[in-house]
Amino acid sequence: GAGVSQTPSNKVTEKGKYVELRCDPISGHTALYWYRQSLGQGPEFLIYFQGTGAADDSGLPNDRFFAVRPEGSVSTLKIQRTERGDSAVYLCASSLMSASDYNEQFFGPGTRLTVL
Amino acid sequence: KQEVTQIPAALSVPEGENLVLNCSFTDSAIYNLQWFRQDPGKGLTSLLLIQSSQREQTSGRLNASLDKSSGRSTLYIAASQPGDSATYLCAVKGNTPLVFGKGTRLSVIA
Repeated sequence: GAGVSQTPSNKVTEKGKYVELRCDPISGHTALYWYRQSLGQGPEFLIYFQGTGAADDSGLPNDRFFAVRPEGSVSTLKIQRTERGDSAVYLCASSLMSASDYNEQFFGPGTRLTVL
Repeated sequence: KQEVTQIPAALSVPEGENLVLNCSFTDSAIYNLQWFRQDPGKGLTSLLLIQSSQREQTSGRLNASLDKSSGRSTLYIAASQPGDSATYLCAVKGNTPLVFGKGTRLSVIA
């Protein structure tokens, strides 16, 4: 079956604009995760959904960042009033369930966001 | 707060060599540890996942070990090939979602 998909693959925007990044998880995966990866760094956790609800949003850097998953499948990461420091690759991952020891996460190809 | 360190940051080896990548973590209360491969400009590909109750996992030429009590994991790659060139990331899951190291950038020279 299809893996995790993310759109767009690249997004260039101007400082102060609003952007939305989309993630389609693997069908049947109840857990969905957003990470942000800056150049030369490992991914950093942003937010995780179990079903429709945000189970942990402790990684969101500030209130300009928000994510939704209204039907428990597709998720959208929303960034308001973008800043140059938001430039990074935004990665989405999904797993079959999150509470189990065995919760291998499968990652999408990422969205490269550039804020000019 | 969990911290994950990967050594070395970069490694260049001739084709055919066996090599070891190291990962250490500060909090041993983990559920599992996962090794990923990342090619330039691409997402992460899961290589191996070791549950906290396991000592090692093998897949083809890859073998990952876990010593939870000492906070260490190694990824062993046998008979390296140029196609193995990529960045290798380890990540641990405790009570929070995955915490990643910065990765080891591997170059295998033909």
